[in-house]
Amino acid sequence: AQTVTQSQPEMSVQEAETVTLSCTYDTSESNYYLFWYKQPPSRQMILVIRQEAYKQQNATENRFSVNFQKAAKSFSLKISDSQLGDTAMYFCAFMKHFSGTYKYIFGTGTRLKVLA
Amino acid sequence: NAGVTQTPKFQVLKTGQSMTLQCAQDMNHEYMSWYRQDPGMGLRLIHYSVGAGITDQGEVPNGYNVSRSTTEDFPLRLLSAAPSQTSVYFCASRRPGEPNYGYTFGSGTRLTVV
Repeated sequence: AQTVTQSQPEMSVQEAETVTLSCTYDTSESNYYLFWYKQPPSRQMILVIRQEAYKQQNATENRFSVNFQKAAKSFSLKISDSQLGDTAMYFCAFMKHFSGTYKYIFGTGTRLKVLA
Repeated sequence: NAGVTQTPKFQVLKTGQSMTLQCAQDMNHEYMSWYRQDPGMGLRLIHYSVGAGITDQGEVPNGYNVSRSTTEDFPLRLLSAAPSQTSVYFCASRRPGEPNYGYTFGSGTRLTVV
Protein backbone atom coordinates (compact mmCIF):
# COMPACT_ATOMS: atom_id res chain seq x y z
CA ALA A 1 0.00 0.00 0.00
CA GLN A 2 1.15 3.48 -0.77
CA THR A 3 1.94 5.65 2.22
CA VAL A 4 3.13 9.18 2.83
CA THR A 5 5.12 9.93 5.97
CA GLN A 6 5.68 13.32 7.50
CA SER A 7 7.92 12.66 10.45
CA GLN A 8 7.78 16.14 11.99
CA PRO A 9 4.39 16.73 13.67
CA GLU A 10 5.35 20.27 14.69
CA MET A 11 8.07 22.73 13.77
CA SER A 12 8.84 26.34 14.48
CA VAL A 13 11.04 28.87 12.74
CA GLN A 14 11.99 32.47 13.31
CA GLU A 15 10.62 35.02 10.91
CA ALA A 16 12.94 35.56 7.90
CA GLU A 17 14.75 32.26 8.43
CA THR A 18 14.61 29.09 6.35
CA VAL A 19 12.85 25.88 7.31
CA THR A 20 12.62 22.47 5.67
CA LEU A 21 9.68 20.11 6.09
CA SER A 22 10.33 16.48 5.32
CA CYS A 23 8.16 13.99 3.45
CA THR A 24 8.82 10.45 2.34
CA TYR A 25 6.52 8.20 0.40
CA ASP A 26 6.31 4.60 -0.57
CA THR A 27 5.16 3.43 -3.98
CA SER A 28 6.02 0.95 -6.69
CA GLU A 29 4.61 3.17 -9.44
CA SER A 30 6.80 5.14 -11.79
CA ASN A 31 4.29 7.79 -12.85
CA TYR A 32 2.82 9.93 -10.10
CA TYR A 33 2.58 13.48 -8.85
CA LEU A 34 3.60 15.10 -5.60
CA PHE A 35 2.15 18.14 -3.90
CA TRP A 36 2.51 20.28 -0.84
CA TYR A 37 -0.65 21.87 0.52
CA LYS A 38 -0.95 24.57 3.15
CA GLN A 39 -3.91 24.62 5.51
CA PRO A 40 -4.15 27.81 7.58
CA PRO A 41 -6.65 28.18 10.43
CA SER A 42 -9.27 29.13 7.85
CA ARG A 43 -9.22 25.42 6.91
CA GLN A 44 -8.81 26.10 3.20
CA MET A 45 -6.47 23.69 1.40
CA ILE A 46 -4.07 25.83 -0.61
CA LEU A 47 -1.72 24.36 -3.18
CA VAL A 48 1.82 25.48 -2.44
CA ILE A 49 3.90 23.57 -4.98
CA ARG A 50 3.73 20.51 -7.19
CA GLN A 51 6.18 18.13 -8.83
CA GLU A 52 5.79 15.58 -11.60
CA ALA A 53 7.74 12.41 -10.85
CA TYR A 54 9.13 12.23 -14.39
CA LYS A 55 10.77 15.65 -14.04
CA GLN A 56 14.21 15.68 -12.49
CA GLN A 57 14.31 19.42 -11.95
CA ASN A 58 13.10 20.53 -8.54
CA ALA A 59 10.03 22.75 -8.56
CA THR A 60 10.23 26.31 -7.25
CA GLU A 61 7.47 28.81 -6.48
CA ASN A 62 8.79 32.10 -5.13
CA ARG A 63 9.96 31.39 -1.55
CA PHE A 64 8.95 27.73 -1.74
CA SER A 65 11.08 25.02 -3.27
CA VAL A 66 11.28 21.26 -3.10
CA ASN A 67 14.09 18.75 -2.93
CA PHE A 68 12.78 15.79 -4.89
CA GLN A 69 14.86 12.64 -4.57
CA LYS A 70 13.01 10.00 -6.61
CA ALA A 71 15.30 7.08 -5.78
CA ALA A 72 15.05 7.84 -2.07
CA LYS A 73 11.31 8.59 -2.38
CA SER A 74 11.77 11.87 -0.61
CA PHE A 75 9.98 15.16 -1.28
CA SER A 76 10.94 17.88 1.20
CA LEU A 77 9.64 21.46 1.19
CA LYS A 78 11.94 24.40 1.85
CA ILE A 79 10.45 27.73 2.86
CA SER A 80 12.87 30.63 2.58
CA ASP A 81 12.48 34.01 4.28
CA SER A 82 9.67 32.66 6.45
CA GLN A 83 6.77 35.01 7.07
CA LEU A 84 4.16 35.09 9.83
CA GLY A 85 1.55 34.23 7.22
CA ASP A 86 3.31 30.93 6.60
CA THR A 87 2.03 29.66 9.94
CA ALA A 88 -0.21 26.71 9.04
CA MET A 89 -0.49 22.96 8.73
CA TYR A 90 1.43 21.62 5.76
CA PHE A 91 0.41 18.42 4.05
CA CYS A 92 2.49 16.39 1.65
CA ALA A 93 0.40 14.46 -0.87
CA PHE A 94 1.12 11.80 -3.45
CA MET A 95 -1.31 11.48 -6.33
CA LYS A 96 -1.66 8.25 -8.24
CA HIS A 97 -3.89 6.80 -10.88
CA PHE A 98 -6.96 5.15 -9.35
CA SER A 99 -9.83 3.48 -11.23
CA GLY A 100 -10.08 5.90 -14.13
CA THR A 101 -9.09 8.97 -12.21
CA TYR A 102 -6.43 10.09 -9.76
CA LYS A 103 -6.59 10.17 -5.99
CA TYR A 104 -4.45 11.62 -3.27
CA ILE A 105 -2.64 9.86 -0.50
CA PHE A 106 -1.99 12.46 2.17
CA GLY A 107 0.54 12.55 4.96
CA THR A 108 -0.56 13.40 8.48
CA GLY A 109 0.75 16.93 8.30
CA THR A 110 3.35 19.17 9.91
CA ARG A 111 2.19 22.11 12.00
CA LEU A 112 4.52 25.03 11.27
CA LYS A 113 4.66 28.08 13.49
CA VAL A 114 6.58 31.15 12.39
CA LEU A 115 7.79 33.18 15.35
CA ALA A 116 8.10 36.97 15.34
CA ASN B 1 -14.97 32.48 -10.44
CA ALA B 2 -16.20 31.10 -7.12
CA GLY B 3 -14.25 27.84 -7.54
CA VAL B 4 -15.53 25.04 -5.32
CA THR B 5 -18.30 26.05 -2.93
CA GLN B 6 -19.31 23.93 0.03
CA THR B 7 -22.30 24.45 2.26
CA PRO B 8 -22.83 24.52 5.15
CA LYS B 9 -19.53 25.47 6.75
CA PHE B 10 -20.53 24.04 10.13
CA GLN B 11 -23.18 21.52 11.15
CA VAL B 12 -24.15 19.69 14.31
CA LEU B 13 -26.27 16.57 13.96
CA LYS B 14 -27.78 14.14 16.40
CA THR B 15 -27.01 10.46 16.00
CA GLY B 16 -29.37 8.94 13.47
CA GLN B 17 -30.22 12.17 11.67
CA SER B 18 -29.64 12.53 7.97
CA MET B 19 -28.27 15.44 6.00
CA THR B 20 -26.68 16.42 2.73
CA LEU B 21 -23.42 18.30 2.35
CA GLN B 22 -23.53 20.41 -0.75
CA CYS B 23 -20.68 20.92 -3.21
CA ALA B 24 -20.79 23.00 -6.37
CA GLN B 25 -18.07 24.06 -8.77
CA ASP B 26 -18.25 26.58 -11.60
CA MET B 27 -15.05 25.60 -13.43
CA ASN B 28 -16.64 22.93 -15.64
CA HIS B 29 -14.51 20.26 -13.95
CA GLU B 30 -15.59 16.73 -14.74
CA TYR B 31 -13.74 15.07 -11.88
CA MET B 32 -15.00 15.63 -8.35
CA SER B 33 -14.20 13.96 -5.05
CA TRP B 34 -15.14 13.98 -1.38
CA TYR B 35 -12.50 13.63 1.32
CA ARG B 36 -12.74 13.56 5.08
CA GLN B 37 -10.06 14.94 7.37
CA ASP B 38 -9.58 13.47 10.82
CA PRO B 39 -6.94 14.48 13.37
CA GLY B 40 -3.65 12.70 12.81
CA MET B 41 -4.86 10.93 9.68
CA GLY B 42 -4.61 13.37 6.80
CA LEU B 43 -7.39 13.36 4.19
CA ARG B 44 -9.05 10.17 3.01
CA LEU B 45 -11.14 9.63 -0.11
CA ILE B 46 -14.84 8.86 0.48
CA HIS B 47 -16.42 8.91 -3.01
CA TYR B 48 -15.53 10.29 -6.37
CA SER B 49 -17.04 11.00 -9.76
CA VAL B 50 -15.51 11.22 -13.23
CA GLY B 51 -18.54 12.87 -14.78
CA ALA B 52 -22.30 13.36 -14.59
CA GLY B 53 -24.03 10.08 -13.84
CA ILE B 54 -20.81 8.29 -12.84
CA THR B 55 -19.78 7.79 -9.22
CA ASP B 56 -17.67 5.27 -7.36
CA GLN B 57 -16.37 4.45 -3.92
CA GLY B 58 -13.11 5.59 -2.41
CA GLU B 59 -11.31 4.29 0.65
CA VAL B 60 -13.93 5.04 3.33
CA PRO B 61 -17.39 4.98 1.67
CA ASN B 62 -19.44 3.32 4.39
CA GLY B 63 -22.25 5.49 5.70
CA TYR B 64 -22.18 7.90 2.76
CA ASN B 65 -24.02 8.15 -0.55
CA VAL B 66 -23.35 10.40 -3.52
CA SER B 67 -24.98 11.24 -6.81
CA ARG B 68 -23.91 13.35 -9.77
CA SER B 69 -26.81 14.56 -11.85
CA THR B 70 -24.97 17.59 -13.24
CA THR B 71 -21.35 18.49 -13.90
CA GLU B 72 -21.54 21.31 -11.36
CA ASP B 73 -22.95 19.55 -8.29
CA PHE B 74 -21.74 16.61 -6.23
CA PRO B 75 -23.68 16.29 -2.95
CA LEU B 76 -22.66 13.94 -0.15
CA ARG B 77 -25.45 12.32 1.87
CA LEU B 78 -25.27 10.94 5.36
CA LEU B 79 -28.29 8.67 5.75
CA SER B 80 -27.99 7.98 9.48
CA ALA B 81 -25.28 10.02 11.15
CA ALA B 82 -22.95 8.36 13.63
CA PRO B 83 -20.39 9.92 16.02
CA SER B 84 -17.63 8.27 13.93
CA GLN B 85 -18.61 10.61 11.10
CA THR B 86 -17.56 13.65 13.09
CA SER B 87 -14.94 15.14 10.79
CA VAL B 88 -14.10 17.92 8.39
CA TYR B 89 -15.31 17.20 4.88
CA PHE B 90 -13.70 18.55 1.74
CA CYS B 91 -15.00 18.54 -1.78
CA ALA B 92 -12.46 18.84 -4.58
CA SER B 93 -12.55 19.04 -8.37
CA ARG B 94 -10.24 19.06 -11.37
CA ARG B 95 -10.23 18.86 -15.16
CA PRO B 96 -9.51 15.50 -16.74
CA GLY B 97 -6.18 15.06 -18.45
CA GLU B 98 -4.36 17.46 -16.12
CA PRO B 99 -3.47 15.48 -12.98
CA ASN B 100 -0.29 17.49 -12.60
CA TYR B 101 -2.35 20.51 -11.56
CA GLY B 102 -3.96 18.64 -8.70
CA TYR B 103 -7.44 19.27 -7.38
CA THR B 104 -9.07 22.52 -6.31
CA PHE B 105 -10.55 22.20 -2.84
CA GLY B 106 -13.58 23.80 -1.25
CA SER B 107 -13.28 25.43 2.16
CA GLY B 108 -14.66 22.42 3.99
CA THR B 109 -17.60 21.54 6.21
CA ARG B 110 -17.01 20.83 9.88
CA LEU B 111 -19.53 18.22 10.96
CA THR B 112 -20.11 17.19 14.56
CA VAL B 113 -22.37 14.24 15.38
CA VAL B 114 -23.51 14.08 19.00
